[in-house]
Amino acid sequence: DVKVTQSSRYLVKRTGEKVFLECVQDMDHENMFWYRQDPGLGLRLIYFSYDVKMKEKGDIPEGYSVSREKKERFSLILESASTNQTSMYLCASSHGQGDYYGYTFGSGTRLTVV
Amino acid sequence: DAKTTQPNSMESNEEEPVHLPCNHSTISGTDYIHWYRQLPSQGPEYVIHGLTSNVNNRMASLAIAEDRKSSTLILHRATLRDAAVYYCILNTGGFKTIFGAGTRLFVKA
Repeated sequence: DVKVTQSSRYLVKRTGEKVFLECVQDMDHENMFWYRQDPGLGLRLIYFSYDVKMKEKGDIPEGYSVSREKKERFSLILESASTNQTSMYLCASSHGQGDYYGYTFGSGTRLTVV
Repeated sequence: DAKTTQPNSMESNEEEPVHLPCNHSTISGTDYIHWYRQLPSQGPEYVIHGLTSNVNNRMASLAIAEDRKSSTLILHRATLRDAAVYYCILNTGGFKTIFGAGTRLFVKA
């Protein structure tokens, strides 16, 4: 069964800490994405990557960075965690650039910054 | 990027059909209509997609208006396990797909 795996389901971190969220996919997908989900706001795109070592900003990149050193792995980094980054983080992947290609999501990481 | 409009919530009785509407009046000719659903404490999962013609799969049916400015996801017999948030999105071939707030479906036993 193909899937996207996020390393942690729940995470609690302190303000100011550097936080790493890891995502791995086993479908050989070219594209990978990081979203955050907050009540009433839907999913908002933070960063995406369409190839190894390539990254592009999404709609809300401030306070985040990403790393994609291998095709199957896409990491989201919170340089200095703040309480307003408490959220559900969702990783997704997709194949190619065709309009008909859909997304496969991970189960999410619920991050709490205290 | 193209946007969709969905009702915030809908309610259904178990074992009855459910019609979830979506408006996408700014859709362009090459945009695919995708539906996802998100069960509690999980990431969204793919349900169905289409371009112009109506589509059926084991999970649901997708009815697309002739002018493509709206579509309807049809669950033929709702079960309690179908209670979820349903997202209608336009896959434009780019990378900045917009997921709105979706429709929260409540299913009553």
